[in-house]
Amino acid sequence: EPEVTQTPSHQVTQMGQEVILRCVPISNHLYFYWYRQILGQKVEFLVSFYNNEISEKSEIFDDQFSVERPDGSNFTLKIRSTKLEDSAMYFCASRGTVNQPQHFGDGTRLSIL
Amino acid sequence: EDKVVQSPLSLVVHEGDTVTLNCSYEVTNFRSLLWYKQEKKAPTFLFMLTSSGIEKKSGRLSSILDKKELFSILNITATQTGDSAVYLCAVEAWSNYQLIWGAGTKLIIKP
Repeated sequence: EPEVTQTPSHQVTQMGQEVILRCVPISNHLYFYWYRQILGQKVEFLVSFYNNEISEKSEIFDDQFSVERPDGSNFTLKIRSTKLEDSAMYFCASRGTVNQPQHFGDGTRLSIL
Repeated sequence: EDKVVQSPLSLVVHEGDTVTLNCSYEVTNFRSLLWYKQEKKAPTFLFMLTSSGIEKKSGRLSSILDKKELFSILNITATQTGDSAVYLCAVEAWSNYQLIWGAGTKLIIKP
């Protein structure tokens, strides 16, 4: 069964550095999402992406964050000037149409030191 | 403010028991309600509910939505240790297609 794949599985970074989290959505899916889950807290929506542009973003997704689909397969989340509070599990999701459920990758655990 | 509330937050039962997990919501422009199972990593999709009163089934799992009372339940019959996980409920709105998540129910099945 097709899967959403995320790399790396764990990223450790010094505070203030930039990180790029990578996702390969399911092939032929058109809608892409990033979520984060701080340890012990709810999953939170960050951003949705369709037709090569952001369609929605939450208050969390400020100028520190950006997303890109640099080629036909990858979907990346860039976090600039990382802070301690950016430490979380980051999930990528994709779906084919808005009438289908979102399918999630295994996540990247980001640890900011 | 839109919100999704799940109960109980945790539940411990013995193998073979039947469990019912609850999800209530207050979401403007409700579109659909989804159930996911989260073990160690990715939430895995279980059910997507859009219409009231129509039960969805998959093996020992079933779910139903009540759009009048604004809640859904997830039933698991004849539980097995492999059912141990966090069960997440999420609601999608027409306005922005975002998923609004509940805090999850941590289910532990004892042998």
